Amino acid sequence: GAVVSQHPSRVICKSGTSVKIECRSLDFQATTMFWYRQFPKKSLMLMATSNEGSKATYEQGVEKDKFLINHASLTLSTLTVTSAHPEDSSFYICSASYSQGSYNEQFFGPGTRLTVL
Amino acid sequence: AQSVTQLDSQVPVFEEAPVELRCNYSSSVSVYLFWYVQYPNQGLQLLLKYLSGSTLVESINGFEAEFNKSQTSFHLRKPSVHISDTAEYFCAVTRGTGGGNKLTFGTGTQLKVEL
Repeated sequence: GAVVSQHPSRVICKSGTSVKIECRSLDFQATTMFWYRQFPKKSLMLMATSNEGSKATYEQGVEKDKFLINHASLTLSTLTVTSAHPEDSSFYICSASYSQGSYNEQFFGPGTRLTVL
Repeated sequence: AQSVTQLDSQVPVFEEAPVELRCNYSSSVSVYLFWYVQYPNQGLQLLLKYLSGSTLVESINGFEAEFNKSQTSFHLRKPSVHISDTAEYFCAVTRGTGGGNKLTFGTGTQLKVEL
């Protein structure tokens, strides 16, 4: 149980275009979803937290107009990288959680490798 | 705010040898601690966690970690590693309460198991 999927797993796009990444909880309803960015040889950096039906809360330094997050249902959140540039190339990982008591464990997706040419 | 330090970026070890991956954290409040494993081009998988209770926690594949509050550490150990343990290991921390379950990750340790 507690499986999270991401689509696509890999995407290559041209500079200036927009890319949408989907994150789905397959067997549970995710009240909260998180989006992370991982640079090569680096740790995961939290970009934003989204609760179903609410606006996402972005971490300091993350451009909300650049990285649009939508959490329209309890099983789907999307991250849209708008007007992508080469510096946006990265590995993007989502996680999802639901109410479990004292701590709501995050279940991670397999990640999406974005390459902007 | 919380922070996590993983001093070793890379740890090479021979198969069947013991290994310890170090993790230290900083926090002014109580915390929950985690170890995640990441295989190449994949997401993170939870290896083990400490929320409360016994300070020694174990995973199903032979790893264990011990929460040491006085030393603010949560080192990961395995008495005998396998080739399949080769992966990136991340230590993470979150506030025990009121933190919104946000995870702060260390920079990771690459465990490379050699024959």
